[in-house]
Amino acid sequence: QKEVEQNSGPLSVPEGAIASLNCTYSDRGSQSFFWYRQYSGKSPELIMFIYSNGDKEDGRFTAQLNKASQYVSLLIRDSQPSDSATYLCAVGRGSNYKLTFGKGTLLTVNP
Amino acid sequence: DTGVSQNPRHKITKRGQNVTFRCDPISEHNRLYWYRQTLGQGPEFLTYFQNEAQLEKSRLLSDRFSAERPKGSFSTLEIQRTEQGDSAMYLCASSFGNTGELFFGEGSRLTVL
Repeated sequence: QKEVEQNSGPLSVPEGAIASLNCTYSDRGSQSFFWYRQYSGKSPELIMFIYSNGDKEDGRFTAQLNKASQYVSLLIRDSQPSDSATYLCAVGRGSNYKLTFGKGTLLTVNP
Repeated sequence: DTGVSQNPRHKITKRGQNVTFRCDPISEHNRLYWYRQTLGQGPEFLTYFQNEAQLEKSRLLSDRFSAERPKGSFSTLEIQRTEQGDSAMYLCASSFGNTGELFFGEGSRLTVL
């Protein structure tokens, strides 16, 4: 079983729709959860982090964490073509010095 | 602040040659990480420095790989006797304090022929 699993996609949504990205993890000791966005040919950039169960909102982005289910999600409201990218889920434990990344989900937002 | 800087951005080398990559982190960041990413995969942890101390190396990092961070500033990643399987994007990231908020550089892409 992979440590961090994501659907590779591609996930295709129309402009203005809600995009829902999901991630599961296997290490129950995981304490911190991150979503990175990676445009093609570019490096990952952090868009959200969440440490506690529940929802965390930042602009059009909402991260959701359910530690009992070992599940993290990212919702993107009012999706824009500029949101088209690969979204990487990353999980940390303890001092966070070693994040474990999933393979990423490719999101395409169609105008 | 110009962010995390890596060079060279691209390196093509022949199998068996040595290569070295350099990373300049964000100046106030005390933690520096090296990750490797291949096509269709997420970044994989290679090694981590807190200031000048290398605190962990992944089992992915064979003895052909060595990393240094003299004086806790820039870091170098050297790969000796390169193999085709070393072809990847080598990403450097830095952070401040005890968070997972990593700031990545643009990466150094290695192609081993």
